[in-house]
Amino acid sequence: DARVTQTPRHKVTEMGQEVTMRCQPILGHNTVFWYRQTMMQGLELLAYFRNRAPLDDSGMPKDRFSAEMPDATLATLKIQPSEPRDSAVYFCASGLDQVVGYNEQFFGPGTRLTVL
Amino acid sequence: KQEVTQIPAALSVPEGENLVLNCSFTDSAIYNLQWFRQDPGKGLTSLLLIQSSQREQTSGRLNASLDKSSGRSTLYIAASQPGDSATYLCAVPFSGGYNKLIFGAGTRLAVHP
Repeated sequence: DARVTQTPRHKVTEMGQEVTMRCQPILGHNTVFWYRQTMMQGLELLAYFRNRAPLDDSGMPKDRFSAEMPDATLATLKIQPSEPRDSAVYFCASGLDQVVGYNEQFFGPGTRLTVL
Repeated sequence: KQEVTQIPAALSVPEGENLVLNCSFTDSAIYNLQWFRQDPGKGLTSLLLIQSSQREQTSGRLNASLDKSSGRSTLYIAASQPGDSATYLCAVPFSGGYNKLIFGAGTRLAVHP
């Protein structure tokens, strides 16, 4: 049963601490997306990787957020230093981008982050 | 700039009713449209993906239609059940970048016995 996995599922931390979220995309998928969901803003794209290369991180606050793919089976999203306004659910999604126009995305269960 | 709107924002119906959820988008030059379901505290589950060349897709009691020229899609749920209670979101690719999704705010559905 192929699915996207994310760790941790829940994280509570204090303002100023570093937070690292991990994602394992579905094996064989070549695109990875990081989204943030809040009540006020809904779902927002933070970063997008294709074949492990970052293609778009325009939605990410660059001064504190960073996203990487050390290898094809792991994507990370790091916040340093964290702030209370970063509290949200962070989703990772993966897809197979080989055919133009066919880009179904599969989402992980999310990491619920609370920054006190 | 692509914008996606979903109506209604919330819907409460008795079990057994047939439902129509609406999604509209401002830029009709899309490759596809995807419908998702999100249960409280959970991630998104892909329900249906309609290619731009298709007019509809069906999966069980779900049927999604796409009218690109008018910038609309509808999700039809037949014979609703309490287990259908969830938030339903539609998403279209960002104009100029077909792998970036722009999401609507969702329709929160409650089906009561």
